[in-house]
Amino acid sequence: DSGVTQTPKHLITATGQRVTLRCSPRSGDLSVYWYQQSLDQGLQFLIQYYNGEERAKGNILERFSAQQFPDLHSELNLSSLELGDSALYFCASSGGAQYFGPGTRLTVL
Amino acid sequence: ELKVEQNPLFLSMQEGKNYTIYCNYSTTSDRLYWYRQDPGKSLESLFVLLSNGAVKQEGRLMASLDTKARLSTLHITAAVHDLSATYFCAVERYNNDMRFGAGTRLTVKP
Repeated sequence: DSGVTQTPKHLITATGQRVTLRCSPRSGDLSVYWYQQSLDQGLQFLIQYYNGEERAKGNILERFSAQQFPDLHSELNLSSLELGDSALYFCASSGGAQYFGPGTRLTVL
Repeated sequence: ELKVEQNPLFLSMQEGKNYTIYCNYSTTSDRLYWYRQDPGKSLESLFVLLSNGAVKQEGRLMASLDTKARLSTLHITAAVHDLSATYFCAVERYNNDMRFGAGTRLTVKP
């Protein structure tokens, strides 16, 4: 158990919909990273927050957004969902090494 | 643009044998990570390499970093079945951008 929690574990939704994925980092970690893992794109870095501020952006689509709250939990919002957004979404928190959460499997039908 | 290439992508080994996974990257970086992922599971951090010449070992796995050659290696010694998994390297740049390799799917056979 990495200490990073993610909810929900599974999410099934339809094209055009909007979903929110939630991540709670390990106690004491200020950084949260979001990643997408799919068969065709592999593992991709989406975005990083540090103590509430956006620190780095990777291959995050404009339809996606994230934020980190004062209690350090983070949410990833995915809107206008497309079939190709079906993937595993991981968050990780960092205190030197990165500690990954169990992931949210998103299926867009 | 930062690119990370791993090879091989698939590796089938016999138990007891040694092998090396290679991770090449295209630009200077701050940190290099190695992760393990079991099927259907999340990623587990194995090593973080910070500087040229860094070498870290944990059990049968040893990782090294040559920043001049932009190359990291993950060496497997006397493989056992429990090491079967997918191994990823990832490179983090100064601006915290991260890039992952495609992963090496390792199968260790008796």
